[in-house]
Amino acid sequence: DVKVTQSSRYLVKRTGEKVFLECVQDMDHENMFWYRQDPGLGLRLIYFSYDVKMKEKGDIPEGYSVSREKKERFSLILESASTNQTSMYLCASSLVQTDTQYFGPGTRLTVL
Amino acid sequence: SQKIEQNSEALNIQEGKTATLTCNYTNYSPAYLQWYRQDPGRGPVFLLLIRENEKEKRKERLKVTFDTTLKQSLFHITASQPADSATYLCASGGSSYKLIFGSGTRLLVRP
Repeated sequence: DVKVTQSSRYLVKRTGEKVFLECVQDMDHENMFWYRQDPGLGLRLIYFSYDVKMKEKGDIPEGYSVSREKKERFSLILESASTNQTSMYLCASSLVQTDTQYFGPGTRLTVL
Repeated sequence: SQKIEQNSEALNIQEGKTATLTCNYTNYSPAYLQWYRQDPGRGPVFLLLIRENEKEKRKERLKVTFDTTLKQSLFHITASQPADSATYLCASGGSSYKLIFGSGTRLLVRP
């Protein structure tokens, strides 16, 4: 079974802090994704990566950056957290060809 | 812009009945549609994928259809059980790596 793990289930940070969310997948998938999910808005793509050190902006990249130094690990960085970044953050991975995405359990981030 | 819409109102049905959830897309023609299940506080879990040249796909008690004329996919759960209660997400894909997700429909199955 594909396993996608995220570094924290719950996180509370203060406005202005730098926040790192980490995601690891164990299936040698090429693609990795970061989404945020908010009530009524569904899943919105922040960034995705199709290879090591390669990344592309999704629909809402402002205020976020990402890093993919190793194939299995994809990090989301909030350079200076703000209250409007309070959300559920979901990481996913997929093989190049199948496009089915496998999600991690999510990190519920609260920015005070 | 490309859009996927799902009924935002919860679907409330009696155990044993068939649940039918709808997914409509506008302004594009996806090559495939996927359905995911999401439980509260958890990540979505993939259920089924149906391609544009397939009319229907089945997996155990699940059935999904893809009508390119109506620009719609229907997701059915037959003989529904309380354990089927969850939010179901529709997602569309095409030539890029990205999926476009609907906001999901919550299903409640009463015992």
